[in-house]
Amino acid sequence: KQEVTQIPAALSVPEGENLVLNCSFTDSAIYNLQWFRQDPGKGLTSLLLIQSSQREQTSGRLNASLDKSSGRSTLYIAASQPGDSATYLCAVRAGSGNTGKLIFGQGTTLQVKP
Amino acid sequence: DAMVIQNPRYQVTQFGKPVTLSCSQTLNHNVMYWYQQKSSQAPKLLFHYYDKDFNNEADTPDNFQSRRPNTSFCFLDIRSPGLGDAAMYLCATSRVRGADTQYFGPGTRLTVL
Repeated sequence: KQEVTQIPAALSVPEGENLVLNCSFTDSAIYNLQWFRQDPGKGLTSLLLIQSSQREQTSGRLNASLDKSSGRSTLYIAASQPGDSATYLCAVRAGSGNTGKLIFGQGTTLQVKP
Repeated sequence: DAMVIQNPRYQVTQFGKPVTLSCSQTLNHNVMYWYQQKSSQAPKLLFHYYDKDFNNEADTPDNFQSRRPNTSFCFLDIRSPGLGDAAMYLCATSRVRGADTQYFGPGTRLTVL
């Protein structure tokens, strides 16, 4: 059974700092991995999608890497800003038969202090 | 422009009183998903539709049902809500079930009194 873990559960950093969020998964047989952002009481916004054949994806100040063999992904945020404060969730698409089911981690809640 | 719309954003119901949550999409995507997210927990897939084909997760309680009358709309029906069903309900879509991005709506926060 696929399990997704995110460490730490919460993180507080001063503005301008570079930071790394971690995601690990137990079954390396994934189709892709996606990072989401969730603001309090809101839905999910997709940040980056990494296909199983890819090693990383970049969007602006965000860079996500994927190491399938070790079951790990990281989300790197450069020059953090108070507006980056949110919960960040990673999810893997797993399962056979192309069902599209996402298995989520519980998220890392990030606070960037001005 | 909103692509995945959920109504209402907040829903209050009484214990045992049936409730329906609505999701619509302007993306013309084939797949629509319903997730349940309890406080401080990971979203959990309840079921999904691939076109008209309904796919229920094995551990989704019978209390939860879904309807998809057309490509654009999908409904989540909770027949007899219990206190444990209070959660954020998230609707998502994707073009296909394959290696594709899922687009999420803003969610409906359900409170059960």
